[in-house]
Amino acid sequence: GAVVSQHPSRVICKSGTSVKIECRSLDFQATTMFWYRQFPKKSLMLMATSNEGSKATYEQGVEKDKFLINHASLTLSTLTVTSAHPEDSSFYICSASPGVGNTEAFFGQGTRLTVV
Amino acid sequence: GQQLNQSPQSMFIQEGEDVSMNCTSSSIFNTWLWYKQDPGEGPVLLIALYKAGELTSNGRLTAQFGITRKDSFLNISASIPSDVGIYFCAGPPMDSNYQLIWGAGTKLIIKP
Repeated sequence: GAVVSQHPSRVICKSGTSVKIECRSLDFQATTMFWYRQFPKKSLMLMATSNEGSKATYEQGVEKDKFLINHASLTLSTLTVTSAHPEDSSFYICSASPGVGNTEAFFGQGTRLTVV
Repeated sequence: GQQLNQSPQSMFIQEGEDVSMNCTSSSIFNTWLWYKQDPGEGPVLLIALYKAGELTSNGRLTAQFGITRKDSFLNISASIPSDVGIYFCAGPPMDSNYQLIWGAGTKLIIKP
């Protein structure tokens, strides 16, 4: 299957600092990528849809100024958690689908963010 | 947000047993996807189903797309320790642009 690489896999940061998470599609181009947040023992919760060359679409309740998304190329989307707080600690996962009309989503390895 | 109804929530089985889990929806889906997630990792796609009635296998895994297009099941035969993990069903709603709706997951635990 297609490969999506997410970096870093783990990050610990201090409250008030910002953290950037990268999501790359390694062997295909993705005009759309998705960012999820996953709480312990829960399913994936869609945060936003990242669109190459345009603004991201955020789900209800997700603060766009808090979670900045940039999709500057067809293979890279970044999620920046700004002014992080301990409640932002979570598992963040990105996904992307190759090909037009291909709904098979491939996921990055996830990023465990811990804010201390 | 909207979720698929996935059951059971968890399963405790003996190694070698067969496993079955399913997902249902109140609306029609054109695609059903089954994923497995190991702790601390992103979900990995196991099987993708595109046609109503389709039965697809991937090794010891078999999944079917229900005729009504509102349900799907995943079977694992002769379970082994590495099957442990959380299994999710997912599918794009009719009006989505690759966006997926997720089941709550089935946690598979294999008793020693």
